[in-house]
Amino acid sequence: GQQLNQSPQSMFIQEGEDVSMNCTSSSIFNTWLWYKQDPGEGPVLLIALYKAGELTSNGRLTAQFGITRKDSFLNISASIPSDVGIYFCAGQLRGGNQFYFGTGTSLTVIP
Amino acid sequence: GAVVSQHPSWVICKSGTSVKIECRSLDFQATTMFWYRQFPKQSLMLMATSNEGSKATYEQGVEKDKFLINHASLTLSTLTVTSAHPEDSSFYICSAVYPAGVETQYFGPGTRLLVL
Repeated sequence: GQQLNQSPQSMFIQEGEDVSMNCTSSSIFNTWLWYKQDPGEGPVLLIALYKAGELTSNGRLTAQFGITRKDSFLNISASIPSDVGIYFCAGQLRGGNQFYFGTGTSLTVIP
Repeated sequence: GAVVSQHPSWVICKSGTSVKIECRSLDFQATTMFWYRQFPKQSLMLMATSNEGSKATYEQGVEKDKFLINHASLTLSTLTVTSAHPEDSSFYICSAVYPAGVETQYFGPGTRLLVL
């Protein structure tokens, strides 16, 4: 299947700092989704992107659909302790119905 | 927003028994649902695509006779782990595709299975 490379694998930051993570693929995707997963729970949808170049915000979160359609970025501004968790990107190929997941970025926020 | 539920959230069973997990879309109809498996500190691994009214499509390496999927209605898909063994212990998560023009996938809360 498709492989989505997500980086960084883990991050340890101070409360109040901004966070950036990205997801890259060798294939062109039509849809990019970003999720956050807390331990023992299912992933929760944060942001959905459907057009190349699209920039979408959800509170302190901003995500962009890369122009090449092969990558996406997620930024979190002014991090807070409840931002702790694992963030996954997911991409959907044109004409496909399944979503492929990135390897995840584990975020730890130090108060 | 779109809500997906899973039941049970926890199950402990003896080796050799079968376990059924339900996935329901509570406030929308989903013609497509997905079943994933997740090991600790790893990403989600797609097991199968469940389509309402037709047979599920399994990913390579996933035994269809081991993991039975039934998508009998537009709001319910079930995964049955047959003759479960300890190596089947994992976190099983379903998702449902919300059909609003462009597709978005919403996840259930997951089911943790422990086979003794």
